Amino acid sequence: ETGVTQTPRHLVMGMTNKKSLKCEQHLGHNAMYWYKQSAKKPLELMFVYSLEERVENNSVPSRFSPECPNSSHLFLHLHTLQPEDSALYLCASSQVHHGLGYEQYFGPGTRLTVT
Amino acid sequence: AQTVTQSQPEMSVQEAETVTLSCTYDTSESNYYLFWYKQPPSRQMILVIRQEAYKQQNATENRFSVNFQKAAKSFSLKISDSQLGDTAMYFCAFMINNAGNMLTFGGGTRLMVKP
Repeated sequence: ETGVTQTPRHLVMGMTNKKSLKCEQHLGHNAMYWYKQSAKKPLELMFVYSLEERVENNSVPSRFSPECPNSSHLFLHLHTLQPEDSALYLCASSQVHHGLGYEQYFGPGTRLTVT
Repeated sequence: AQTVTQSQPEMSVQEAETVTLSCTYDTSESNYYLFWYKQPPSRQMILVIRQEAYKQQNATENRFSVNFQKAAKSFSLKISDSQLGDTAMYFCAFMINNAGNMLTFGGGTRLMVKP
C-alpha cells in the first residue's frame, strides 16, 4: 500500500522534546484524519481536515497540534508529551463530496513511545 | 452519539473453514454506512467491505460477506475458506451519511487462522 504514507514509522521521544509526524496521501482525496490507536482501546479520532480546514478537534490536548498545508499533506506536531501518549498514530484520507463521505484509506502508522 | 460493539475480543479458525465476526451498533440515524476493516500484524489498515444502510442486499467481496440486520442493528462479517493471510485484527466501523467524514470504530476482534 502506497496510497497513504507516514513518516517516521517509529519514534521515541522524551517528554520535553518537540517532534512532528508526517502524512502524505497520493489518492487525490480532499479530507485527512489523525487517529490514535492505544492497546485495548478503540481507535480514537483526533482531528479531521476537510478541504484543508479543520472540521473536528475531538477534545485533544493542546500538546498535539495538527497542520494541513494542502490537501495532500498532514502533520501532527508534538510537544511536552506524556507517557500515556505512547500509541500508534494513524493517518487516513478520504473523498468528501457535498458533505457525503466515503471510505477512509489508512497509512501504516507511526509507533510513538514517550519516555 | 453512535457506539459500535464487537463482543468477541479474540477468535480462531482452522484454515479453509468459515468464521463469523459479530458487530452491533447503536444509532438513531437511518442513513449511514457500515464498514469492516482489517489490520494485519504489519499494521496497515485495509478496507474489507462496506454496506450502505439503505440497501437491503448484503454486500459481498469474494470470500467476505456481511449479514446486515438493520432492525437488530447487527452487522456481522463472514469469512469463507479462511486463509492464513486472513490473520489480523478486524474492526467494524460506522459512518453517518450526511456527516461526511466521521468514523466510529468498535474495539476490534483478533482473528487467528490456524494451519
